[in-house]
Order: sequence, then C-alpha cells, then structure tokens
Amino acid sequence: KQEVTQIPAALSVPEGENLVLNCSFTDSAIYNLQWFRQDPGKGLTSLLLIQSSQREQTSGRLNASLDKSSGRSTLYIAASQPGDSATYLCAVNYAGGGNKLTFGTGTQLKVEL
Amino acid sequence: DVKVTQSSRYLVKRTGEKVFLECVQDMDHENMFWYRQDPGLGLRLIYFSYDVKMKEKGDIPEGYSVSREKKERFSLILESASTNQTSMYLCASSTMLGVLAGGIRADTQYFGPGTRLTVL
Repeated sequence: KQEVTQIPAALSVPEGENLVLNCSFTDSAIYNLQWFRQDPGKGLTSLLLIQSSQREQTSGRLNASLDKSSGRSTLYIAASQPGDSATYLCAVNYAGGGNKLTFGTGTQLKVEL
Repeated sequence: DVKVTQSSRYLVKRTGEKVFLECVQDMDHENMFWYRQDPGLGLRLIYFSYDVKMKEKGDIPEGYSVSREKKERFSLILESASTNQTSMYLCASSTMLGVLAGGIRADTQYFGPGTRLTVL
C-alpha cells in the first residue's frame, strides 16, 4: 500500500531556531512531492513542489529535499518565527496513480517567543 | 493568483438530507478534486475529475457522488447525509504538465478554504 508518514506529529521550538520536518513514503516511483501549510480551520497553501527528477527546491527560508531511493523528504525552515506556526503536510503523487495525491497526517509546528 | 472558492465555510444539515457542496476555480484548470479531512486520518481523496463530465473514484467514494458540467465547477453531492460524514471538505484544482508513460503528471494543487460540514 502506498503511504506517506510524517514524524513527529507535533513539534515546539523557540523562535529563531532552525528546524527540519520529516516525510517518508513507501514507493520510490513518484511523479512529485509537495509540501503544504495549513493554518487552523483553513485550506492548504502550497509551499514547495519537487518533481521526481529534482533533488531540492528552495523558497525564501524554506528548503525541501527529496531522496527517492530512501523514500524520504525533509522540509528545512531557517530562523523560525511565530508566524511559521501551522500544520505542515507532505503529499506524494505516486506514479500510476493519475493525479492523486497521498497525504501524510502532518506535523503541527509551534514556534514560541 | 489562482483562486479556488467553496460555496460555504460552515454548513449544518440533518441526517438524510441531500447536501450539495460547490467548488469553483478561475484558472481554467483541467483537474479538480474533493477531499475530506478528519483528525488523525489526514486528507483522503473522495473523487476527482480531469475533464468536463469525467470523474474518477478516489479512496473513499462511498456515500458521495460528483458532477462536473462546466470546467470551472466541481460539485460534491451527499445523497443522504449521515453523521459519519461530519468533516472538513476541501476542494482543489490543478493543471496538466503532460502525459508520460505510466500516467498523467499534474502541477501543484491549489486548495479552497474548506467547508466544515456538521450532520446532526
């Protein structure tokens, strides 16, 4: 079964700290992997999309890496701020699954002053 | 900017009622999706559509149907609402990047704000 796992489920860090969120997937045959952010009671906002041929993507303080052979992706957040507090979701577009995304259950991040 | 709108932010219905959830996107995207999100279970795909009048079942289609009569609009229908359909419903859209061996590649999915449905 094609699954996506995110650990830890929750994380609390002091402001200014660099942090890494982890995502693992069970099948290396993927089209792409996306990281989303979700604020409480809101929809999802796309942060980064990594195509299967890429190793990483960067946007501002965010950097996402992809290692298909090990079935892992990381989202690195530099110099965290209280405004980064949200749930971060990883989603994989598995090959042969059409347009379907398989989501992890997310990591709830809290950045404290 | 891509805009995906959903007809209601909050909805309360009675068991047995027929419920319509509407989703509209303004970027001429080919693909549209309906998910539900529940604590501890994450987002699960209900149905998706890659063209007008086309639909495909996702992982949990039971108890739901969909309609896509126009490219910009994708409707989710609960024929007879039940309490276990109380959830957050999220709509998304995306465009095609191309067709490769083994399937279709799509760009990032853009999500609407969600509809929190409560069935009493």
